[in-house]
Amino acid sequence: SQQGEEDPQALSIQEGENATMNCSYKTSINNLQWYRQNSGRGLVHLILIRSNEREKHSGRLRVTLDTSKKSSSLLITASRAADTASYFCATARLETSGSRLTFGEGTQLTVNP
Amino acid sequence: SQTIHQWPATLVQPVGSPLSLECTVEGTSNPNLYWYRQAAGRGLQLLFYSVGIGQISSEVPQNLSASRPQDRQFILSSKKLLLSDSGFYLCAWMGDNNEKLFFGSGTQLSVL
Repeated sequence: SQQGEEDPQALSIQEGENATMNCSYKTSINNLQWYRQNSGRGLVHLILIRSNEREKHSGRLRVTLDTSKKSSSLLITASRAADTASYFCATARLETSGSRLTFGEGTQLTVNP
Repeated sequence: SQTIHQWPATLVQPVGSPLSLECTVEGTSNPNLYWYRQAAGRGLQLLFYSVGIGQISSEVPQNLSASRPQDRQFILSSKKLLLSDSGFYLCAWMGDNNEKLFFGSGTQLSVL
């Protein structure tokens, strides 16, 4: 399986609910990042968490990283219809000094109004 | 501020025809540049990356090639397109201390 696998593949929630997406990876990393992609558009960087960090917040986003389990989670609180998009985790591997990112398959989030 | 331009937005090409997709970055110098491909509903596959003029690294063997003739220009090419080359192509540059990727708007390529 690929470095950076998101779970679930698809998630449908109601506006106001929280959305949690998970990412697992296989190799040692420098950092892990989350990106968002609206349909047919380029990806937009959301948040970066370094290998020595365990939790990070940015607005309604909360990211956790567990290097012992090689996993991360992205929590979007108080979701809005505008949060509907695909979300990807990406890992910067230790051996490539962060110059290359490997992306997972993504989670398609649908927030229903 | 830095911006990245990628064109065209959509492209329909017959099998066997050549391809040239161009990407340019403004507002930064000597960026790391990347070409990714994305199949429908899937993640991104890294095709090529470049750390400088004339320096190209290929991640997967394929029908495509890349060139970097100028510091802020990255071109994806093919001499003869295959059906399997269809997909969404994304150019990106790495900013913020070489940690975060900034993407172009993508090119949807359909090979028929």
